[in-house]
Amino acid sequence: QSALTQPRSVSGSPGQSVTISCTGTSSDVGTYNYVSWYQQYPGKAPKLMIYDVSKRPSGVPDRFSGSKSDNTASLTISGLQAEDEADYYCCSYAGSSVVFGGGTKLTVL
Amino acid sequence: EVQLLESGGGLVQPGESLRLSCAASGFTFRSSAMGWVRQAPGEGLEWISSISVGGDGTYYADSVKGRFTISRDNSKNILYLQMNSLRAEDTAAYYCAKQVRGWQFDYWGQGTLVTVSS
Repeated sequence: QSALTQPRSVSGSPGQSVTISCTGTSSDVGTYNYVSWYQQYPGKAPKLMIYDVSKRPSGVPDRFSGSKSDNTASLTISGLQAEDEADYYCCSYAGSSVVFGGGTKLTVL
Repeated sequence: EVQLLESGGGLVQPGESLRLSCAASGFTFRSSAMGWVRQAPGEGLEWISSISVGGDGTYYADSVKGRFTISRDNSKNILYLQMNSLRAEDTAAYYCAKQVRGWQFDYWGQGTLVTVSS
């Protein structure tokens, strides 16, 4: 399984919106609506932010949203806050396996 | 409160073995599929293994297939990862995680560090 493709880094100013893309294939993102996104601070465990492409777990701000089109999923963070600066990973079910993206470092300017 | 507590990490030499444990609490362990995800220093997340609720279904990434074995003890609420023939490239923080449908991970442990070096 090849890793999903994410940009290495994105940045935005407080209050702005940023979108992180996650490109897979017809064997993972394109076929299954089991795309999830995780936020990770340095030295900490990942935290689920989005599941089932666009659903938010309880406690995750509605500034975080997810979508998917064909083989590409996206995470959009609106109203950027300093605390959003972290690494973000997408993930997809791939038929009896799981594939992660390489991760995107979000910098809040 | 869901808690996942990994243990068993450490420094081992190439070719040696190690068994990781993950003690679960705060949810019905026997009703939850579970998985292991690792992260090499400075690198991204890598799924390595998952197990079904009853333990009869086990799944592995190609990178560990034939060397690692996932198992669970539903009477003790513990998830295991037996790692044999360890290599330098297995050096990573190993996280256990609770799975929901679609093999998505809703809760993660704090991780345990495995270092393979001579």
